[in-house]
Amino acid sequence: AQKVTQAQTEISVVEKEDVTLDCVYETRDTTYYLFWYKQPPSGELVFLIRRNSFDEQNEISGRYSWNFQKSTSSFNFTITASQVVDSAVYFCALSEADFGNEKLTFGTGTRLTIIP
Amino acid sequence: NAGVTQTPKFQVLKTGQSMTLQCAQDMNHEYMSWYRQDPGMGLRLIHYSVGAGITDQGEVPNGYNVSRSTTEDFPLRLLSAAPSQTSVYFCASNNHGGVAAFFGQGTRLTVV
Repeated sequence: AQKVTQAQTEISVVEKEDVTLDCVYETRDTTYYLFWYKQPPSGELVFLIRRNSFDEQNEISGRYSWNFQKSTSSFNFTITASQVVDSAVYFCALSEADFGNEKLTFGTGTRLTIIP
Repeated sequence: NAGVTQTPKFQVLKTGQSMTLQCAQDMNHEYMSWYRQDPGMGLRLIHYSVGAGITDQGEVPNGYNVSRSTTEDFPLRLLSAAPSQTSVYFCASNNHGGVAAFFGQGTRLTVV
């Protein structure tokens, strides 16, 4: 069975600080996908990134970066120079490649608050 | 392009009532799913469909029915609502090989 653990329930940082959100996953599959979604206070789910299990390259998109390490089964998310607009709940998710994206296993989420 | 549309956005039901949460997508996606979001639990998969006429159970299917008669629509039925079904429900769709699931805006359901 798959499992995603986001041990950090809530994090608060002062604006412009860097912050890392942790994600640890469990799966027996050798092929799988990892995701991060953002849920702002308005409630919608916003896709941020997908990474497949064969691609361990780190990715950077503006102030966002992701560190995927299969050796530790982790897919951590770092926001550099945080802004108030980054305040949201962030979810890490996992899907088995055979099933595609229609069966996502989510973590419990990390509520990030950026203090102005 | 509307994407994934869920109706209603809010609903209050009495225990034992039935209702259908609607989900429609206009992207011709093969796959559609229903999730529920509860505090401290993240999102959990209720039912999913890999195409018209094909549905299967997810992690928390009890108390819910689905059908997929068309590619566009994937309604979720509560036959006899219970307070434990108070939650925010999200519908999602995607294509095989697509980058990620697209989510609707959610339906906040309260059962009293």
